Amino acid sequence: GAGVSQSPSNKVTEKGKDVELRCDPISGHTALYWYRQSLGQGLEFLIYFQGNSAPDKSGLPSDRFSAERTGGSVSTLTIQRTQQEDSAVYLCASSLWPKFIFGPGTRLTVL
Amino acid sequence: GENVEQHPSTLSVQEGDSAVIKCTYSDSASNYFPWYKQELGKGPQLIIDIRSNVGEKKDQRIAVTLNKTAKHFSLHITETQPEDSAVYFCAARNYGQNFVFGPGTRLSVLP
Repeated sequence: GAGVSQSPSNKVTEKGKDVELRCDPISGHTALYWYRQSLGQGLEFLIYFQGNSAPDKSGLPSDRFSAERTGGSVSTLTIQRTQQEDSAVYLCASSLWPKFIFGPGTRLTVL
Repeated sequence: GENVEQHPSTLSVQEGDSAVIKCTYSDSASNYFPWYKQELGKGPQLIIDIRSNVGEKKDQRIAVTLNKTAKHFSLHITETQPEDSAVYFCAARNYGQNFVFGPGTRLSVLP
């Protein structure tokens, strides 16, 4: 596609449930990133995939968060046992040096 | 590692005036400096970028200047319009390294 797509655009879940957020990067981009943005705040780095290298997971806030990237393309961010503080917009970005393009984000609300 | 500071955190200007946002970075090896605009409810969009071998770049009403010696770069918006109201993020990056974003500037253009 022409841009980065994310699904769903909005997700409402109950505390304690697991959620999966999907990112489809731009074809040919070698790197994929996940960021979290709480209301009115900046961009919090979560995880970074570059080619076939081991992902940089240094930004994941707890072991409830995990992500995978299948076939060097689509990525899924999974949050287990969601908490209210997980409510935020989750942004995916794909990159082919030096360009870095964001998707529209998934707004997650944990009730 | 790289650290990016951004000032001011909020900026209000009258329509038609100019707006300037400044970022400083710490890693002298960083060589790519993009600016993103984030409108309410959307993902950040790349609006202009500059590489370290260039001192200035313009695109219509938007310009970016880079001072490598002082390790700072600035976004200049001339003849501001209400649709320029958004949050602006700067970033710095070296090849193979993660993007580091500034905390953002909320620009309000008053009619």
